[in-house]
Amino acid sequence: AAGVIQSPRHLIKEKRETATLKCYPIPRHDTVYWYQQGPGQDPQFLISFYEKMQSDKGSIPDRFSAQQFSDYHSELNMSSLELGDSALYFCASSSTWTDSGNTIYFGEGSWLTVV
Amino acid sequence: GIQVEQSPPDLILQEGANSTLRCNFSDSVNNLQWFHQNPWGQLINLFYIPSGTKQNGRLSATTVATERYSLLYISSSQTTDSGVYFCAVRSGAGSYQLTFGKGTKLSVIP
Repeated sequence: AAGVIQSPRHLIKEKRETATLKCYPIPRHDTVYWYQQGPGQDPQFLISFYEKMQSDKGSIPDRFSAQQFSDYHSELNMSSLELGDSALYFCASSSTWTDSGNTIYFGEGSWLTVV
Repeated sequence: GIQVEQSPPDLILQEGANSTLRCNFSDSVNNLQWFHQNPWGQLINLFYIPSGTKQNGRLSATTVATERYSLLYISSSQTTDSGVYFCAVRSGAGSYQLTFGKGTKLSVIP
């Protein structure tokens, strides 16, 4: 079965640079989520989109922005990168058409290293 | 926001042993999922279980929603079961986010 696809899988950036992560949800899934997991930490919710509109917002820094496009893929843009942004970034998706959107499926994550 | 506590934080098992991981949550939930994060960082869905009992092979889970806890049972553990087990909940009421516990780090030794 198709899963959530994230790219790139690994990314190295310098401080103050910009990074963009992409996410392709499972086909026919209408909700996309972004999570950030620091070293040794649990995943922290950043932001979510339902039908291309922002649906919920968590601890996302002002330097970060995200959107969901007409084909349902999503991008997370991170600017003025700091060393503390080094983390594993997960995208996840769910469908309100099946089990009321309650089962959330995670991608394999994008490893961001800021040097 | 909703609080999620997992115990124990660390667990070392001999291969073949059984274990029980616990997840307590502070409010009613409409979503509870158990995940296994393997050493490569992948978050693998184990169960969607806001209430009741489910089994999948050597794993089973039970959630008692009225008492706000969930249990994950691992039987006949294998070295490939090593990793971090996370419980994550969503409280509903218009919230989309899953709140994760701190996880239980399981090490299964041969």
